[in-house]
Amino acid sequence: DAGVIQSPRHEVTEMGQEVTLRCKPISGHNSLFWYRQTMMRGLELLIYFNNNVPIDDSGMPEDRFSAKMPNASFSTLKIQPSEPRDSAVYFCASSIREQGGYTFGSGTRLTVV
Amino acid sequence: DQQVKQNSPSLSVQEGRISILNCDYTNSMFDYFLWYKKYPAEGPTFLISISSIKDKNEDGRFTVFLNKSAKHLSLHIVPSQPGDSAVYFCAARIKAAGNKLTFGGGTRVLVKP
Repeated sequence: DAGVIQSPRHEVTEMGQEVTLRCKPISGHNSLFWYRQTMMRGLELLIYFNNNVPIDDSGMPEDRFSAKMPNASFSTLKIQPSEPRDSAVYFCASSIREQGGYTFGSGTRLTVV
Repeated sequence: DQQVKQNSPSLSVQEGRISILNCDYTNSMFDYFLWYKKYPAEGPTFLISISSIKDKNEDGRFTVFLNKSAKHLSLHIVPSQPGDSAVYFCAARIKAAGNKLTFGGGTRVLVKP
């Protein structure tokens, strides 16, 4: 298995533009998580899905952020419009719901200028 | 409100010596704890975990200790090796609430040869 695959690895965009981050979880995993890593806040959970259904989106900063999981093998995190303070590394992780640990992707480093 | 805290942002240790990483939590409902290790430009990877019914779990050079009364856990690495240089994250979960993990801010460990 190739693990959790995120794309792109790096994204540089101008303030106000729409940004879409993509994630392919491990096949057979039924939970998917989006985290954001910043110096100030460490790893913070944005949203997670069980069986493609959003369970907890309380970590999504504001309405500019949205996430979808149209099927078991794909999820997107969209920021529209993007702002400089959104600059961070965004991680996707997947797991088998009944088990404890996650497998993380390599992350997308987003820079909004 | 940070429910999981790692108060030491960095730690420097000589190769061969012990590294001790600390983590405190505030939510007494947490019943499962994990440590993740993260290298630059990679996603965090699972290292070791402990259930709240135990006070110690050992895996090779890594041992996690849990003190429930103090709401404190620690990770010991003995002996430390240069390849252990990374950022370590403590995480906690409430099993009955699903598999959402709450992470601490991380501790950067540097092992000097």
